[in-house]
Amino acid sequence: AQTVTQSQPEMSVQEAETVTLSCTYDTSESDYYLFWYKQPPSRQMILVIRQEAYKQQNATENRFSVNFQKAAKSFSLKISDSQLGDAAMYFCAYRSGNDMRFGAGTRLTVKP
Amino acid sequence: GAGVSQSPSNKVTEKGKDVELRCDPISGHTALYWYRQSLGQGLEFLIYFQGNSAPDKSGLPSDRFSAERTGGSVSTLTIQRTQQEDSAVYLCASSKQGYSNQPQHFGDGTRLSIL
Repeated sequence: AQTVTQSQPEMSVQEAETVTLSCTYDTSESDYYLFWYKQPPSRQMILVIRQEAYKQQNATENRFSVNFQKAAKSFSLKISDSQLGDAAMYFCAYRSGNDMRFGAGTRLTVKP
Repeated sequence: GAGVSQSPSNKVTEKGKDVELRCDPISGHTALYWYRQSLGQGLEFLIYFQGNSAPDKSGLPSDRFSAERTGGSVSTLTIQRTQQEDSAVYLCASSKQGYSNQPQHFGDGTRLSIL
């Protein structure tokens, strides 16, 4: 079975600092996609960033970037210049065809 | 445009009752997904509809759970003879098509509490 593991239930970062959230996954597929979603207290999940497994270049979206290590099956999210609005649950997700899996989430706290 | 709409936002019911949860996807989105999020857990996939194809029901936890999608738009998730372990937030998402690379757009969820 494909699994997605987020080993950090909680993380904390000082405003304006950088934080990295970890995610590892297990798959026997070669073609798949990885996502990071953010879920603020309002409950609505929002896409943060997406990575295609066949692309070696790490995806970047403004202050958010990933470190995708395909051989190690690792997909970490780096948030630079953290802002108070970044406080939320962050979920790592894997998809290949109809196989969609999410990690248990990391709760990020941003300290002013 | 309007996002994914779910109703009700909260539902409290007694054990043994049936419940219906509704999801109205983004207009034009052919793919629709249901997930369950238990406290402190990630999202558990329940069911996936793509266009007119037969739905992927592989995530439904028991035969008490069923879902329909009428006319390729609105979907209803039904839980019969509810149990306390069914208490969770039920999230619906839609995407333009069912391709793996497409992000899913989520609703605000329905928080279901079984007394």
